[in-house]
Amino acid sequence: NAGVTQTPKFQVLKTGQSMTLQCAQDMNHNSMYWYRQDPGMGLRLIYYSASEGTTDKGEVPNGYNVSRLNKREFSLRLESAAPSQTSVYFCASRVSGMGEQYFGPGTRLTVT
Amino acid sequence: ILNVEQSPQSLHVQEGDSTNFTCSFPSSNFYALHWYRWETAKSPEALFVMTLNGDEKKKGRISATLNTKEGYSYLYIKGSQPEDSATYLCHSYNQGGKLIFGQGTELSVKP
Repeated sequence: NAGVTQTPKFQVLKTGQSMTLQCAQDMNHNSMYWYRQDPGMGLRLIYYSASEGTTDKGEVPNGYNVSRLNKREFSLRLESAAPSQTSVYFCASRVSGMGEQYFGPGTRLTVT
Repeated sequence: ILNVEQSPQSLHVQEGDSTNFTCSFPSSNFYALHWYRWETAKSPEALFVMTLNGDEKKKGRISATLNTKEGYSYLYIKGSQPEDSATYLCHSYNQGGKLIFGQGTELSVKP
């Protein structure tokens, strides 16, 4: 079992460029999450998907879109990257709403 | 409390000291409280999931308690070791039902 995988590990974008961060889990989990981590801010939820076919906004959704492609995959898209989106992005999954989350290794994104 | 807050932000202790820190959360419409341990350059790993008022959970030298009526949870580490150095995160849900993490408590244990 690979657990939760994320690609890419690192990315540098110029302001205005777009990109998609990929996340996949092989644990048959229903719920998946995207977070960003900034110094002094802890983890902030961007979007989540409680189950296949549903997505919902978290604490900081502006500037992002998501797609729950199937039960395994949950992607995060930046349509027009801004320097304020420089961050480390973590994907996580869990069986259901109350269970522990399993985190991917993170994607470090820099927007110049 | 409208959001999830942790204190202190950072803590420096000597090896062998026992320590504790706090996670405060909205007590109305409580659902669950989670603790995670996050080592530098790694991903967060789950420690405890707590749901019932008065819950007490233990894993080795680490334990946690939960008070849902007053909206707080304590995490205790007995006899801290350098390998306990990490950021300890909690998450619960704000009054709008959104999942919120606290900012974390960064623990440094000096040998």
